[in-house]
Amino acid sequence: GAVVSQHPSWVICKSGTSVKIECRSLDFQATTMFWYRQFPKQSLMLMATSNEGSKATYEQGVEKDKFLINHASLTLSTLTVTSAHPEDSSFYICSARATGRTEAFFGQGTRLTVV
Amino acid sequence: GENVEQHPSTLSVQEGDSAVIKCTYSDSASNYFPWYKQELGKRPQLIIDIRSNVGEKKDQRIAVTLNKTAKHFSLHITETQPEDSAVYFCAASSGGSYIPTFGRGTSLIVHP
Repeated sequence: GAVVSQHPSWVICKSGTSVKIECRSLDFQATTMFWYRQFPKQSLMLMATSNEGSKATYEQGVEKDKFLINHASLTLSTLTVTSAHPEDSSFYICSARATGRTEAFFGQGTRLTVV
Repeated sequence: GENVEQHPSTLSVQEGDSAVIKCTYSDSASNYFPWYKQELGKRPQLIIDIRSNVGEKKDQRIAVTLNKTAKHFSLHITETQPEDSAVYFCAASSGGSYIPTFGRGTSLIVHP
């Protein structure tokens, strides 16, 4: 149990285009999902907390108009990187927490490369 | 907000030795402390967690201890094996939102 699937695993896009990343909880309902960015050999930087049916809460310094988050169902949250630039290239990873639980489980991550 | 410090950043041990990773936290309201293991190129995996009403928890070769007074918690791995080599992250979160704050990670290398 507690499987979180993230898609795609990797994506290459051109500067100026938008990219959508999906995070799905496969065998549980996730009221809350978290989106992180991880730089090589560094920790997990929380970008935003996504709650089903409400607006995401963004961490300080994260542009909400650039990183659009939608959590439209209890099993799916999406992160859209709009007007991507090379500096947005990174490893993006989500985690999901089941309703009423404290444990969070991670997706496999998405390697985004903007050329 | 919460601040989690993790040490050491790198830990190198011989197979069979024990490894200890330590974390401190700043928010006395934190009450849930998970540990994750991340192998190269893979997702972080929850390996053990502890809540503030417990001082120690064991699961085979891994154990976690919590000292609420001092606001620190530690991960102990006994009889280390090469497959234990990975980056380990500690985290702390408090009731209500349970938004985890992560430490910077410890790269554990177990030499055969």
